[in-house]
Amino acid sequence: SQKIEQNSEALNIQEGKTATLTCNYTNYSPAYLQWYRQDPGRGPVFLLLIRENEKEKRKERLKVTFDTTLKQSLFHITASQPADSATYLCASLSSNTGKLIFGQGTTLQVKP
Amino acid sequence: EADIYQTPRYLVIGTGKKITLECSQTMGHDKMYWYQQDPGMELHLIHYSYGVNSTEKGDLSSESTVSRIRTEHFPLTLESARPSHTSQYLCASSDWTSGYNEQFFGPGTRLTVL
Repeated sequence: SQKIEQNSEALNIQEGKTATLTCNYTNYSPAYLQWYRQDPGRGPVFLLLIRENEKEKRKERLKVTFDTTLKQSLFHITASQPADSATYLCASLSSNTGKLIFGQGTTLQVKP
Repeated sequence: EADIYQTPRYLVIGTGKKITLECSQTMGHDKMYWYQQDPGMELHLIHYSYGVNSTEKGDLSSESTVSRIRTEHFPLTLESARPSHTSQYLCASSDWTSGYNEQFFGPGTRLTVL
């Protein structure tokens, strides 16, 4: 079945460092990948979208890459701040159902 | 700024009660969705609607039902709540005009069934 997998282990980094989160997909080739941020007790908020023909996308301190050979997207936050602490979700469109499927998210903790 | 609202934010209720979770959006989006999310787990789609009078079940089987009588309103109903229904319920809407299905989420309803 089509699946999105993210590292379920929390990522702890020091303020000012670059955080890198990984999203792997299996059994399909999504036309695009989306990244969302979710704070505790809140709904996800859309951050970025990258299409399969784009290698890299940037928005302020955020950078997303899409490697169709590795079937992987990397999400980077440069100069991380404690306010960046949240769970980050990867999502893509299932070619089977036409609906978004989400990974379970990776929790980022940025320590001051 | 996304304008999608859910009420109540928190609900604690006894087994067997009927409940309705409200969801409204002011963006005029045709597509709306209900997801269920347990702590540390992925979102699972339980219902969706592509417009007024259109509702479909999602990937995760759910005993809940939905209705879409108005574009802006997409309530979810549980006829008889059970402890297994305890979860976070998230409503979302999307605009496909960009072709990429960016979804806007409400704040969620955390349901606890005793």
